[in-house]
Amino acid sequence: SSELTQDPAVSVALGQTVRITCQGDSLRSYYASWYQQKPGQAPVLVIYGKNNRPSGIPDRFSGSSSGNTASLTITGAQAEDEADYYCNSRDSSGNHPFGTGTKVTVL
Amino acid sequence: EVQLVESGGGLVQPGGSLRLSCAASGFTFSSYWMSWVRQAPGKGLEWVANIKQDGSEKYYVDSVKGRFTISRDNAKNSLYLQMNSLRAEDTAVYYCARDIRITGTMDAFDIWGQGTMVTVSS
Repeated sequence: SSELTQDPAVSVALGQTVRITCQGDSLRSYYASWYQQKPGQAPVLVIYGKNNRPSGIPDRFSGSSSGNTASLTITGAQAEDEADYYCNSRDSSGNHPFGTGTKVTVL
Repeated sequence: EVQLVESGGGLVQPGGSLRLSCAASGFTFSSYWMSWVRQAPGKGLEWVANIKQDGSEKYYVDSVKGRFTISRDNAKNSLYLQMNSLRAEDTAVYYCARDIRITGTMDAFDIWGQGTMVTVSS
């Protein structure tokens, strides 16, 4: 199955903007979705498709895609955004591998 | 309230079996693909398997093929994962998740359960 690669960790100053990327061949054919996970909690969907936010997700979260790379951007990061973030995408075999995950630290 | 509740986790010896269940409520279960996702302690998320609305299509990650079986009972609004020949590396929190298929190239896991812990150890 396809692999999705993310940077292991990024940091962002409070109120600033951070972009998290996800690379993989399957992203040329399928949209990515993005999940936020805080310690001890189940993942939460934050972005899916071109740039769709589920109800209740703040509009500071946005998504984009180009070629084999999908991105999640947090504009005006808040302390509560500190979490692990994972991308996911279907691949041509019908599988749904997750990315390696990115730990976001808000300074 | 839309909800998924997993059960059936526990401690099992290597080579043993376990059956996980996921009870769905608050939505029309039979209208959705469903998935199992796991997370080993301190590790990332790993998609395990999914199943089509009527059970006619099933997909598995390579590491569980031939050992795990995903199934569903739409009359009982329930999803299952039968796990056989368990190994230490199967130790993880197992989540069930609803898979929304918006288009042929766009889908996502929009509802998650709280997870159930499976520990494989002697």
